[in-house]
Amino acid sequence: QVQLIQSGAELKKPGSSVKVSCKASGGTFSNYGFIWVRQAPGQGLEWMGGIIPVLGISNYAQKFQARVTITADESTSTAYMELNSLTSEDSAVFYCASTETGKWLAEIDYWGQGTLVTVSS
Amino acid sequence: QSVLTQPPSVSGAPGQRVTISCTGSSSNIGAGYDVHWYQQLPGTAPKLLIYGNNHRPSGVPDRFSGSKSGTSASLAITGLQAEDEADYYCQSADRSLSGYVFGTGTKVAVL
Repeated sequence: QVQLIQSGAELKKPGSSVKVSCKASGGTFSNYGFIWVRQAPGQGLEWMGGIIPVLGISNYAQKFQARVTITADESTSTAYMELNSLTSEDSAVFYCASTETGKWLAEIDYWGQGTLVTVSS
Repeated sequence: QSVLTQPPSVSGAPGQRVTISCTGSSSNIGAGYDVHWYQQLPGTAPKLLIYGNNHRPSGVPDRFSGSKSGTSASLAITGLQAEDEADYYCQSADRSLSGYVFGTGTKVAVL
């Protein structure tokens, strides 16, 4: 059973960047891919992008492609999501999620607790 | 923007049956990608409820069932209970977008 523990809430100024971490435990890191999902207040789930660390492959939703970078560090079993050029519309909860690489683009088995990012001057 | 369309809300009395539709297109559900469903209780992360169109993970009550046909899918909840009040999302993959797609979400209310 994989557990995903995300970093804590962030308060950022417009135009700045945020980097959220997601530490995985309970499974072999290289067996999993990692996905990031944004949920604005009162809104639905929005896929931002993902990474398959063992293959060194990442892909991003077109909406976020110019501003987001998703990376992974196998040595610490941690995935990261960095979002640049923040605006108030980026105030949201960001979820890290994971699935076995063999089930990429299928169901998402594991979810982190979410990280609240607030963008305000 | 979501590419899978769900009704904003559905409601039912305890014990009743409700269904939630998820409408996609020929580049996602209609392309043969499976549909999966998640339950999100207030203030919590989504939880996998149905995978592979109609399979329940261990621990999910058999009151929940899923189906898929053509470019659409459905989630049914039979014997509705107060604890089922939550937001429900469908999810699939999209060939054109080369990634995951989520539904717009449906809030289930138990009257």
